[in-house]
Amino acid sequence: KAGVTQTPRYLIKTRGQQVTLSCSPISGHRSVSWYQQTPGQGLQFLFEYFSETQRNKGNFPGRFSGRQFSNSRSEMNVSTLELGDSALYLCARQVSYEQYFGPGTRLTVT
Amino acid sequence: DAKTTQPTSMDCAEGRAANLPCNHSTISGNEYVYWYRQIHSQGPQYIIHGLKNNETNEMASLIITEDRKSSTLILPHATLRDTAVYYCIVRVAGSGGSNYKLTFGKGTLLTVNP
Repeated sequence: KAGVTQTPRYLIKTRGQQVTLSCSPISGHRSVSWYQQTPGQGLQFLFEYFSETQRNKGNFPGRFSGRQFSNSRSEMNVSTLELGDSALYLCARQVSYEQYFGPGTRLTVT
Repeated sequence: DAKTTQPTSMDCAEGRAANLPCNHSTISGNEYVYWYRQIHSQGPQYIIHGLKNNETNEMASLIITEDRKSSTLILPHATLRDTAVYYCIVRVAGSGGSNYKLTFGKGTLLTVNP
């Protein structure tokens, strides 16, 4: 029912590397939001895209960026990875008053 | 968004009703009560939301007090698969304002025991 696919599900990277995560909402859904979830900080909003435009942005450094394609698929990129970037990265599609989340990508930075 | 207060953890026997409380005494007139849950290491799952009337769907029931300062999520027949962290959120619905993002507090860890 979530209707959001995220790839990959698990990822291990080394500090200093960069990573790209992918999110695909089911057809026709143009709003995609990205979140970072960690045990210490909880769920934190990264950014939201609507029809290929970044509509809102959270308080994350410029190392975190994203984009959305014409087919609504979205990518999130993190450059120069730090140990603190280890987290569950979640993508959600907006439907009326609700947000439906994908399974997330578990990123571990070593 | 108004702040919510939930118990840190609760236990429930399998097959019994699970009643999860949430206090939101500073809720505004245009804010809805939402419930999400998150099973370990999975994405959050939308459960239900309401404004002032009680709501029911295939997953749960939401009971909101008349003054709207508190609510209770009811899982009528809890199963082991309902073990999760349950988040209560109050926020403005619709596409305007800050509705583009969700903020979760600590939530309640519900453990359903066999």
